[in-house]
Amino acid sequence: EIVLTQSPGTLSLSPGERATLSCRASQSINNNYLAWFQQKPGQPPRLLMYGASTRASGIPDRFSGSGSGTDFTLAISGLEPEDFAVYYCHQYGSSPQTFGQGTKVEIK
Amino acid sequence: QVPLVQSGPEVTKPGASVKISCKASGYHFNAYYIHWVRQAPGQGLEWIGWINPNNGGTNLAQKFQGRVTMTRDMSISTTYMELTRLTSDDTAVYYCAKGGAVVRECIVLWGQGALVTVSS
Repeated sequence: EIVLTQSPGTLSLSPGERATLSCRASQSINNNYLAWFQQKPGQPPRLLMYGASTRASGIPDRFSGSGSGTDFTLAISGLEPEDFAVYYCHQYGSSPQTFGQGTKVEIK
Repeated sequence: QVPLVQSGPEVTKPGASVKISCKASGYHFNAYYIHWVRQAPGQGLEWIGWINPNNGGTNLAQKFQGRVTMTRDMSISTTYMELTRLTSDDTAVYYCAKGGAVVRECIVLWGQGALVTVSS
């Protein structure tokens, strides 16, 4: 099983600042089958990014994804009020599929 | 039209079983995998497995093998997940989610979730 470790656990930032979230895998992820989801309280997750760096439909370009192999990053340039949420990385290249434990982006 | 609509909350006792439904609409039901993921209160996401609605094939995380059964009814575009021998650790929101047309495509859309509470 591929273990995904996200860091930091919590990111305290102000609106307008840049957020950088990390996701590290215990082994290489096939074909960069790595996705990022955003979840707000009381809501299901929403797909932001797939294939490590491809934005899902309707996702603004302030979100960007990068990385390959075992190290991946989600960056949010210029945090908007609606971006404060929990973010999960997810690998779907190997079974069982797994999620990271999440990074909470909170308002400083 | 909401693409995935799940059944309502359930309260059940330890040792019992629960069966959750997920009705799809607005797309070709048998063309896309359905995944099931759960989230315990205040915790992260845990992948349970997927079902291929076209042929009923399933793939479950080892942790859930023997306790989870995924089925589908193509006539009403609905998938089901049954979890048996419940314990308090199974208390969680259970989500169904639409995957891709092939296994190695990610989850793209989630149902609203169904809260299952296991309590004596």
